[in-house]
Amino acid sequence: DGGITQSPKYLFRKEGQNVTLSCEQNLNHDAMYWYRQDPGQGLRLIYYSQIVNDFQKGDIAEGYSVSREKKESFPLTVTSAQKNPTAFYLCAAGFTGSQPQHFGDGTRLSIL
Amino acid sequence: SQQGEEDPQALSIQEGENATMNCSYKTSINNLQWYRQNSGRGLVHLILIRSNEREKHSGRLRVTLDTSKKSSSLLITASRAADTASYFCATDTGTASKLTFGTGTRLQVTL
Repeated sequence: DGGITQSPKYLFRKEGQNVTLSCEQNLNHDAMYWYRQDPGQGLRLIYYSQIVNDFQKGDIAEGYSVSREKKESFPLTVTSAQKNPTAFYLCAAGFTGSQPQHFGDGTRLSIL
Repeated sequence: SQQGEEDPQALSIQEGENATMNCSYKTSINNLQWYRQNSGRGLVHLILIRSNEREKHSGRLRVTLDTSKKSSSLLITASRAADTASYFCATDTGTASKLTFGTGTRLQVTL
């Protein structure tokens, strides 16, 4: 079944801890994206990658890091520098060239 | 930064009625897309309209785009309870295929 798989569905972070959110796709899309969604709000772009081994900061990259070692995978690390990490995190993938994006079902991150 | 602002923020209608949502944006675009989000889930792409198009249809969905006013509307005809969701517009300015999302309209369709 093709799609975007995000894990875990729920994640809890302790003070001073880094946590990593997983995003895997089997759609063969070149571009992948991470968004943050706060309650009742739209999506804000954290990082994006158009090709393996390359990624760029989005609008709210501070406190986050990513890697793109494989086309299928784009993990997001929420570092201890991110002081307000509680949010719903969405991963997406798409072809480059102004095409629609396909989304995973999100990871909800909370602070312990 | 939020490029799109949607209006209304929330809309409640009865099954069978039409629902109209509006989106305004600030800069020139390559295309505008509409997405749907059920509670606690990811977004699902509904329709894409390019900057040189004025109207597009897909099933019960009708989207219009007015680039002179920098606005778009999404019409859902003959609404069903299953249409209950949040709807977002997203603009593509052609920079690295990035999308900028609006704040969304929460649609409630009651029986």
